[in-house]
Amino acid sequence: KNEVEQSPQNLTAQEGEFITINCSYSVGISALHWLQQHPGGGIVSLFMLSSGKKKHGRLIATINIQEKHSSLHITASHPRDSAVYICAGDNTDKLIFGTGTRLQVFP
Amino acid sequence: EPEVTQTPSHQVTQMGQEVILRCVPISNHLYFYWYRQILGQKVEFLVSFYNNEISEKSEIFDDQFSVERPDGSNFTLKIRSTKLEDSAMYFCASSDTWQETQYFGPGTRLLVL
Repeated sequence: KNEVEQSPQNLTAQEGEFITINCSYSVGISALHWLQQHPGGGIVSLFMLSSGKKKHGRLIATINIQEKHSSLHITASHPRDSAVYICAGDNTDKLIFGTGTRLQVFP
Repeated sequence: EPEVTQTPSHQVTQMGQEVILRCVPISNHLYFYWYRQILGQKVEFLVSFYNNEISEKSEIFDDQFSVERPDGSNFTLKIRSTKLEDSAMYFCASSDTWQETQYFGPGTRLLVL
């Protein structure tokens, strides 16, 4: 069965801290998406990766195919980073979503 | 920047009524998806659509659900006879190919009374 598991479920941080969110996935998933869900419900795609590492501004995503593990890092966190971060496994023609990590960054 | 749009943003309906949720994917995209998120739960896959036919559907996507691309721009999700448990946020997404970034619409919040 295709599964995606995320940790932690909830995360609080002080502004400026380095954040790491982890995601592990099962066999059958060939790529990993990181998404951000805002308090209003909208979903924004942050990264899609099938190998290596990607960086966009203060966000970095890495994936280890052998270990079936991916991480999302946020450097110099800011209160505007507060959101739910979701990893989703790509099973070719559908996404399998994790439960999300609720991040709150306090000033 | 191109974006996926969805209408309506909110819909309230009575149990047993038919609803049609509409999506306009990004114009040059060929792959379309519907997902739903029940309040407080994770996002779930419903159906993927390519070349005017369903590519894959989940167990949730039973005979009460159907999808259609009636013209070159719209992509619709129809629920024939709504149930209370169909209350959720429904997201449409599109991508230009498989295993590429999916662009999500803002969602339609459906409430079935």
